[in-house]
Parts: sequence; structure tokens; C-alpha cells
Amino acid sequence: AQSVTQLDSHVSVSEGTPVLLRCNYSSSYSPSLFWYVQHPNKGLQLLLKYTSAATLVKGINGFEAEFKKSETSFHLTKPSAHMSDAAEYFCVVSELRRQLTFGSGTQLTVLP
Amino acid sequence: DTGVSQDPRHKITKRGQNVTFRCDPISEHNRLYWYRQTLGQGPEFLTYFQNEAQLEKSRLLSDRFSAERPKGSFSTLEIQRTEQGDSAMYLCASSLGGQHYEQYFGPGTRLTVT
Repeated sequence: AQSVTQLDSHVSVSEGTPVLLRCNYSSSYSPSLFWYVQHPNKGLQLLLKYTSAATLVKGINGFEAEFKKSETSFHLTKPSAHMSDAAEYFCVVSELRRQLTFGSGTQLTVLP
Repeated sequence: DTGVSQDPRHKITKRGQNVTFRCDPISEHNRLYWYRQTLGQGPEFLTYFQNEAQLEKSRLLSDRFSAERPKGSFSTLEIQRTEQGDSAMYLCASSLGGQHYEQYFGPGTRLTVT
């Protein structure tokens, strides 16, 4: 069975400093992994996806994530946070069952 | 491409009433998914369709819930005899295919059962 654990429910960073949102997954098969972002009162938006090609995945708005099979991790990073990055971020896994399994989310706060 | 749309955006109903939500997927997408999201949690899978066929249902989908996708286009999700525990955001998503294809989400329908 597939599952996702987001290790931090809240992360707070200062504008211009790096962002790290941590995610560990469990999957019996070769999974696809995604990061989605949800801004208040807006729909979920895909940031990036991993589907067994390059292990370092680049997404929109300067975000990237690295798939590490040995650590079963898929952490999301950004070199420099912007105020507009404040939102809830979800790590998501998908395997043969096709539907997405979401983590519980990490609320990112960006301080001025 | 106008994206996934959902109607209504908000619904307030009294316990015991029936409600129906509609989802219009991106036109060329053959897969359509329903999720439920409660406060402070990530979305949870409810059911999905490939074209008009409902291929999988979660255990979360009690017999009070029913979903349809006639002609493989829009979909409806009906909840009968609503309970306060049904209060949540109901999300619809669509995709071109299976595991490796990203799902595009609609804005959701927020249901409040009083």
C-alpha cells in the first residue's frame, strides 16, 4: 500500500532564505511522486512530478525536488523564498492503483 | 482549455437533506476523480472514472454517496441523507491517463451540513 509522511506540519522561513519541505513515502511498486501547492481559496496546483526519469526534478516558481530511493524521500526545496510562496504544500504518491495519496500537508509561512 | 470547473462552490444544507455536486473536467481528459478534503488534512480519494466507467471506489464512499459520469463528460456526486460529518471540501480532478499523468484540480465545492 502507498503512503506519504510529511515530516513538518508547519515551516516558517524568512524571505530570501532557503526552503526545505520534507516528505517520506512508502510504496510497494515504482511510484510516481508529486508536489502540489494550495493557496487560500484556490485550487490545488501541480509544482512538479517524478515519474522514474531524472531523480532531480525541477518545477515551477524555482522549486525542485530530489527522489532518493534509498531514503524513500522526496524533499521539496527552493533556494530563496518569496512572500508569494506562503501556502500549503502537499507531497503525493501514486502507484498502480492510479489515485493519488496525499500527505497531511505542510503550511509554509514566509516572514518579511 | 478552461480548466476543471465545479458547481456550486459553496453549499449549506441541513442534516438529512440530499445534495448534488457537478464537475466539468478538461475536455480531452478521459479520467475523472473525486476527493474529499477536511480541515487541516490532505485530500482523500473517493472514486474515479475512466470515460463513463466507474473503476474504483474508496471505503470512504458509503452507500449514501453515489457518483455518475454519463457519456464520459461531466460528473455528478450525490450525497443522500447528509450528516454533519459530511462537511468538507469536495474536489474534482481530471487527467489524460493513469499513474504518470498529473491530475488537474478544480476549485472544489465546500459543503457545510448544519
